This record gives sequence, structure tokens and C-alpha cells, in this order.
Amino acid sequence: SQTIHQWPATLVQPVGSPLSLECTVEGTSNPNLYWYRQAAGRGLQLLFYSVGIGQISSEVPQNLSASRPQDRQFILSSKKLLLSDSGFYLCARQGTGGNSPLHFGNGTRLTVT
Amino acid sequence: QKEVEQNSGPLSVPEGAIASLNCTYSDRGSQSFFWYRQYSGKSPELIMSIYSNGDKEDGRFTAQLNKASQYVSLLIRDSQPSDSATYLCAVAPGFYNAGNMLTFGGGTRLMVKP
Repeated sequence: SQTIHQWPATLVQPVGSPLSLECTVEGTSNPNLYWYRQAAGRGLQLLFYSVGIGQISSEVPQNLSASRPQDRQFILSSKKLLLSDSGFYLCARQGTGGNSPLHFGNGTRLTVT
Repeated sequence: QKEVEQNSGPLSVPEGAIASLNCTYSDRGSQSFFWYRQYSGKSPELIMSIYSNGDKEDGRFTAQLNKASQYVSLLIRDSQPSDSATYLCAVAPGFYNAGNMLTFGGGTRLMVKP
């Protein structure tokens, strides 16, 4: 199984509150994992990717951080949410093989009020 | 900067027709090409991967790749209303293990009218 679990599915948070989104994956060990954000009506924006435990690369400097405490766990966090953090957050894993596509979880829809 | 361009649409086709979705890319070194379908409010779902020039068929879907002209297309035969979605094109080098090596287009919204 290559299942990707994301939770929660929806989240409404006030400005200034903290955030923690969790993604866990099943299947092959040491997967490449990704966090994307999709703002309303916009394209996919790569936020972070990880090629292993404790290895995080950030693509866009912003109010968010990521961690990978376990091989199959990828966490997206924020200490203080901004209105602009609203969006659809997607966790993805790369399939087996260096030229394989990404597979996405079901996503978390975050609304910051 | 690597770019992947798609017409945002909407592309409107009648039920039963062939829908043709196009994607152009700027990086000549690209070797891996993917098409995703994204229904409104849902996450993207992989529908096709193509790595070699020519056509690749999977059911009603055909992906076409022309590396010399730097375009990849997706044909949907016998379009159904359930095909109405946004289709994302993604392009990468032959092997990639860094997230910034995979580039997504902005997507084309397809509407299939009964």
C-alpha cells in the first residue's frame, strides 16, 4: 500500500494561532515527501520537501515550517497563522524510482479567520 | 526559470467528443511528464505518466509527447460529464529527488456538457 494519510480534512483557525498538520505514509521506507499549498483558484505551490528523517528543504520563505521526525511522518507547522496562510494543503510522496510521479493525500483545507 | 504552460480554459466540449489538452514546457532537459486530474475541492490524482516520444494510451486517455517541440498533450476520447475537472501537467528531469525539480502547470479546466 502507498496510502497517504492527512488530517484533519478541514480546519478553521484564528489569526495568530498555531498550526500542526500531520501526514503519514504507508509502504516503501525512506520516501521523498512533499508539502504543497494551493490557494483558492491558484496553482500548486511547493512549500517543503524531505528526502529523509530530519532532512527538510524549504522552497518559499514564509510563516511555515516542516519537520520529519520519523521515516513515514511529515509535519507542517506554524507558530502564528496569517490570513494569507489559508489554502488547501497537500502532502505528497514520490513513487518508487527516481523518475516516478508524486501521489497526493486527500489534503487539508485550512481557513484562517 | 523552468516553466510549464497550460491554457487555463475553461475548455468546453460536448459529451462524447474528444477533449484535447495541451502543455508546453521550457526545459529541454525534461524527461518525465505527468498528467493529473483534480476535481473541485479534491486533491490531484495521477492519470498518466509518459517518458518517451509518441503516444501512450490508457483506456479513454492518450498522452502524446513531442520532446523536439517541447509539448505534451492529453486526449480524452468519448468525453463524459464526469471528466469535468482541472487537468494539471507536470514536468521533471529524468530522475529527480529534489522537490524543486518537478514543475506543475497552472492547469486547464475542462467542462464536458451533456
